[in-house]
Amino acid sequence: KAGVTQTPRYLIKTRGQQVTLSCSPISGHRSVSWYQQTPGQGLQFLFEYFSETQRNKGNFPGRFSGRQFSNSRSEMNVSTLELGDSALYLCASSPRDRGYNEQFFGPGTRLTVL
Amino acid sequence: QQPVQSPQAVILREGEDAVINCSSSKALYSVHWYRQKHGEAPVFLMILLKGGEQKGHEKISASFNEKKQQSSLYLTASQLSYSGTYFCGTSDSGAGSYQLTFGKGTKLSVIP
Repeated sequence: KAGVTQTPRYLIKTRGQQVTLSCSPISGHRSVSWYQQTPGQGLQFLFEYFSETQRNKGNFPGRFSGRQFSNSRSEMNVSTLELGDSALYLCASSPRDRGYNEQFFGPGTRLTVL
Repeated sequence: QQPVQSPQAVILREGEDAVINCSSSKALYSVHWYRQKHGEAPVFLMILLKGGEQKGHEKISASFNEKKQQSSLYLTASQLSYSGTYFCGTSDSGAGSYQLTFGKGTKLSVIP
């Protein structure tokens, strides 16, 4: 099975712009979670989507949003970018069909905001 | 609240053992362990649930003390491939919640 894929892998934006990141989960996985990773704060949960519905949301401002499509692919959007949004954005997929399952992470999108 | 991991960093020689601890101030439902190598995605190691259920790789062992809200990851007979940063992620919600709060990580370096 192919792993979790994320596009693009690298992105450079300027303050005030918006950005959309994409995540394709492992085939058959219906849950997609998004995380922000920075050296200072570590791995922080953004949100989780399951069957096109947001199930959980972390403590991030409303500028961070996401959605999931019927094929389980997910996108996250960050509007009005700030310098502090520079980070590695990871998505993780899980079958989520037998209680707790491990999450499989993608390689991430490295976002740099100038 | 973010769980606290200890130690922050450890250096081992091949074949030595190590224990990585994860402690939370909140009552936990589950603890998840991941390893991340530099420039790579985190890789699943183990899930430990309240009530004693565990799921993980055969060569990894861990414990979960529900009363103390602590978990420990045991790495025995370390190999060079064990090097990386180990993260614990905790959830205080029941089954169905994938909202994990991660610790800052423990950097493990295994040297020949």
